[in-house]
Amino acid sequence: EAGVVQSPRYKIIEKKQPVAFWCNPISGHNTLYWYLQNLGQGPELLIRYENEEAVDDSQLPKDRFSAERLKGVDSTLKIQPAELGDSAVYLCASSSLAGYNEQFFGPGTRLTVL
Amino acid sequence: RKEVEQDPGPFNVPEGATVAFNCTYSNSASQSFFWYRQDCRKEPKLLMSVYSSGNEDGRFTAQLNRASQYISLLIRDSKLSDSATYLCVVSVNYQLIWGAGTKLIIKP
Repeated sequence: EAGVVQSPRYKIIEKKQPVAFWCNPISGHNTLYWYLQNLGQGPELLIRYENEEAVDDSQLPKDRFSAERLKGVDSTLKIQPAELGDSAVYLCASSSLAGYNEQFFGPGTRLTVL
Repeated sequence: RKEVEQDPGPFNVPEGATVAFNCTYSNSASQSFFWYRQDCRKEPKLLMSVYSSGNEDGRFTAQLNRASQYISLLIRDSKLSDSATYLCVVSVNYQLIWGAGTKLIIKP
């Protein structure tokens, strides 16, 4: 069974440029998460989807971050414009039931903003 | 105060020793508890769920103390391959709150 797929794996951009990340969850997983992880910290939730509905986006900086999961399967996370402080690893995860079941993570996208 | 707190370590432990980590959480309404393992530059992976009665999986034992609001992870007969960061995760109303992790280094 294929795991969570993310692309790109690495991205280097200059500040003020836009960037987008893509995630394809495990087949059949209705819940999809986007996390941000800084070095030495745990993952911080940005947004959680149940199918195509964003049910928790309280931690998403909506002035520059946006996300979508139009058909309830794969998802994109966008930053526009990127700032130096956005440099981090962006992790996508999926699970079959929010909050109670194991989350499966993709390999992440390591973003560097110069 | 953070919602989920862990000692960041690192814990430097000789191979074969027993090591234990604690994790404290602030929300008494927390419903589910997990330990995840994260290797350097890799994604987190579930190590084990933590049940009220405590549970064991091979060399790993997890305990939950709801009264004192902490969970623990015990690793017996530690192996070099156990070197990783161990993340405590607490679920509240379908939301997972992650600790910052405890770094474990097993030395030969």
